[in-house]
Amino acid sequence: AQSVTQLGSHVSVSEGALVLLRCNYSSSVPPYLFWYVQYPNQGLQLLLKYTSAATLVKGINGFEAEFKKSETSFHLTKPSAHMSDAAEYFCAVSDPPGNTGKLIFGQGTTLQVKP
Amino acid sequence: DTAVSQTPKYLVTQMGNDKSIKCEQNLGHDTMYWYKQDSKKFLKIMFSYNNKELIINETVPNRFSPKSPDKAHLNLHINSLELGDSAVYFCASSQRGSTEAFFGQGTRLTVV
Repeated sequence: AQSVTQLGSHVSVSEGALVLLRCNYSSSVPPYLFWYVQYPNQGLQLLLKYTSAATLVKGINGFEAEFKKSETSFHLTKPSAHMSDAAEYFCAVSDPPGNTGKLIFGQGTTLQVKP
Repeated sequence: DTAVSQTPKYLVTQMGNDKSIKCEQNLGHDTMYWYKQDSKKFLKIMFSYNNKELIINETVPNRFSPKSPDKAHLNLHINSLELGDSAVYFCASSQRGSTEAFFGQGTRLTVV
């Protein structure tokens, strides 16, 4: 069975500081991993995805994540936080392509950015 | 043009009522999903249809019945609404073989 665990339900950073949101996964097959962002009263928007190609994945809005198999991690980072980054962030794992495609989400991390 | 659209965006209703949420996608995808986000923001899949065929049916009460009239539409009907059904329901779509799912804006259901 697949699962993801996000460490820290709430992360607070100052504007301009490094953002680090942690995600660990469990999967019996090579995982497909995703980070989604949810702004208040909005749907989920894909930030980036890992699909067994490059281990360092770059996404939108300056975010990137590194897949580390030895640590079963897929942490999300951004060098410099912006006020507009304040949102809920979800890590997810999915079936390989051709299966159901369902996403299994972590518990979410609320990112607060202080001026 | 909105890729995945849900209606209504907000729905307030009384316990015991029956209600439907509609979802349409214009991406040409063959797979659609319903996810439920609870009050703690936890997201969990409920159903999935591929080419109008039900392929995922998680442990959801029988009061919830999805219907897919065609590949572009997936509706969710809920009978005898209960307080615990209050949540945000998200529709999503993807193309089988692809790894990316696109989400709608969500329907916030409040049962009073």
